[in-house]
Amino acid sequence: RKEVEQDPGPFNVPEGATVAFNCTYSNSASQSFFWYRQDCRKEPKLLMSVYSSGNEDGRFTAQLNRASQYISLLIRDSKLSDSATYLCVVTHSSGANNLFFGTGTRLTVIP
Amino acid sequence: EPEVTQTPSHQVTQMGQEVILRCVPISNHLYFYWYRQILGQKVEFLVSFYNNEISEKSEIFDDQFSVERPDGSNFTLKIRSTKLEDSAMYFCASSGQGAPTGELFFGEGSRLTVL
Repeated sequence: RKEVEQDPGPFNVPEGATVAFNCTYSNSASQSFFWYRQDCRKEPKLLMSVYSSGNEDGRFTAQLNRASQYISLLIRDSKLSDSATYLCVVTHSSGANNLFFGTGTRLTVIP
Repeated sequence: EPEVTQTPSHQVTQMGQEVILRCVPISNHLYFYWYRQILGQKVEFLVSFYNNEISEKSEIFDDQFSVERPDGSNFTLKIRSTKLEDSAMYFCASSGQGAPTGELFFGEGSRLTVL
């Protein structure tokens, strides 16, 4: 079973739309959760950390459900510049240094 | 803005050859990492390095791989005898804190093609 599973998409949405991505993780001992963004043939960049209480950063809202081992990312008012692959990332314990990446969900925002 | 730099951006090599990929992490960071991404697949952890030694490594990081911090600025990944399946984008990353709490800053990657 994969550590982190995501719907690969692609999601093609018009500008201004709201889009949501989901992710599930298999290890119940997972400690930290993140959404990274990766543009085509570029390096991953941290978009936001995901906290148990849920958190918001501008147009982006992240939610965590530990009981269901489920993470979500909501993007409101999509911009063309939001087109990228969104990577769900977890770590297993507070002492671990390795990130487990999902395969990513590809988003294309259409004018 | 400080950044992680990697060289070369692209290397083509013959199977069985040794390859060294170089990275200059952000100067005040203490934790260094190598990840790889095979085309079309997920980013995979290879190794983490702290206090001049490997702190963790994955199953991918076998005896063919080694890392070194030869001076105060460079962090290198060596593949001793490359195989076709080593073809991938190799990302170096650094963080000021360990991965669970600190943001990882990735370099732009070194694309390795093994023929």
